[in-house]
Amino acid sequence: NAGVTQTPKFRILKIGQSMTLQCTQDMNHNYMYWYRQDPGMGLKLIYYSVGAGITDKGEVPNGYNVSRSTTEDFPLRLELAAPSQTSVYFCAARGAGSEQFFGPGTRLTVL
Amino acid sequence: AQKITQTQPGMFVQEKEAVTLDCTYDTSDQSYGLFWYKQPSSGEMIFLIYQGSYDEQNATEGRYSLNFQKARKSANLVISASQLGDSAMYFCAMRDSGGYQKVTFGIGTKLQVIP
Repeated sequence: NAGVTQTPKFRILKIGQSMTLQCTQDMNHNYMYWYRQDPGMGLKLIYYSVGAGITDKGEVPNGYNVSRSTTEDFPLRLELAAPSQTSVYFCAARGAGSEQFFGPGTRLTVL
Repeated sequence: AQKITQTQPGMFVQEKEAVTLDCTYDTSDQSYGLFWYKQPSSGEMIFLIYQGSYDEQNATEGRYSLNFQKARKSANLVISASQLGDSAMYFCAMRDSGGYQKVTFGIGTKLQVIP
């Protein structure tokens, strides 16, 4: 079991470019989450999903979009990248228990 | 709204000593859960320990224990017999009582273990 995988590991974007951060889990968990972690800070929830076809906004959704067409995949889309979106992005999945399993993160820089 | 407060930006501890990392929380929910995660310099988030609000016993996982004081709304992490590999950022977090169980994180405490 790979758990939660994220690609890419690192990415540099220019202002105004778009990209999709990929997240895949092989645990068959219904709940998935996207967080961002700014330097010296904790994690803030961007979007979450409770199952295929169901997503909702978290604390900091502006500038992002998500989709959940399958249980396994929960991609995060950045449209019109801005320097304020420079951060480390974590995807997580949760099953019936309370623990969230995190992916290794994607470090994004917007210049 | 839920809030997690970690007031210690950095802590030092001698190897083999015990250390307590502080965490206080604020919630109006009766049912909630508290977590601690470790983030080493490599960046991954590692789950350490979980305490449910109705659990009567303090949670323990190996060298980690969670000192849960419900009336004081505190959920301190105690690491016994510190090891050099314990040097990392430590985050306290709380899940809400909703079905989606959204989690709110504190800003973290950086622990450094001194040989």
